[in-house]
Amino acid sequence: GQQVMQIPQYQHVQEGEDFTTYCNSSTTLSNIQWYKQRPGGHPVFLIQLVKSGEVKKQKRLTFQFGEAKKNSSLHITATQTTDVGTYFCAGTTSGTYKYIFGTGTRLKVLA
Amino acid sequence: KAGVTQTPRYLIKTRGQQVTLSCSPISGHRSVSWYQQTPGQGLQFLFEYFSETQRNKGNFPGRFSGRQFSNSRSEMNVSTLELGDSALYLCASSFAGGINTDTQYFGPGTRLTVL
Repeated sequence: GQQVMQIPQYQHVQEGEDFTTYCNSSTTLSNIQWYKQRPGGHPVFLIQLVKSGEVKKQKRLTFQFGEAKKNSSLHITATQTTDVGTYFCAGTTSGTYKYIFGTGTRLKVLA
Repeated sequence: KAGVTQTPRYLIKTRGQQVTLSCSPISGHRSVSWYQQTPGQGLQFLFEYFSETQRNKGNFPGRFSGRQFSNSRSEMNVSTLELGDSALYLCASSFAGGINTDTQYFGPGTRLTVL
């Protein structure tokens, strides 16, 4: 079945360092969404990418969707302690009504 | 707008029992999806309902079932509980769901512990 893998599984960074998580799907995606889940919380929607090669920015966060629509990345510039949490990608494939979530990357920011 | 609400927030059951969880979506949203989250398996899709119809189903046994009412509220039922069913159960609502470019809004979840 369809799988969505994320790397790395864990990442510890010093505050101010950059962070990137990568999402790879075994199948071509129709769209991809990114979520952030704080410890003890629930996933919160960050952004959605639909077009091949699309790049979107939200302040210090940059999201990319691969040309083949099978991979995506989230890059955080100059991390802050408020960035702590687990980042998930989630994709749908054509003709389905379900999102397959990636395995998540847990980010810890050391002050 | 009020967010997605889930009840109860915490639940403790014993093996063999059954449980019903409830989810009220954001007003106007017609799609409700259910997910199971565990440390080992991550977020796994259970099923999605739209206008009282199950449109898609994940790879869970038949002990997991759901339904959606005319007001879009949804319930999830797990029968004959097993220890491995202990998890955070999340529901997410969206306007139309899935293949459309919809944002999913998650509820706070129900933490189920099976003893």
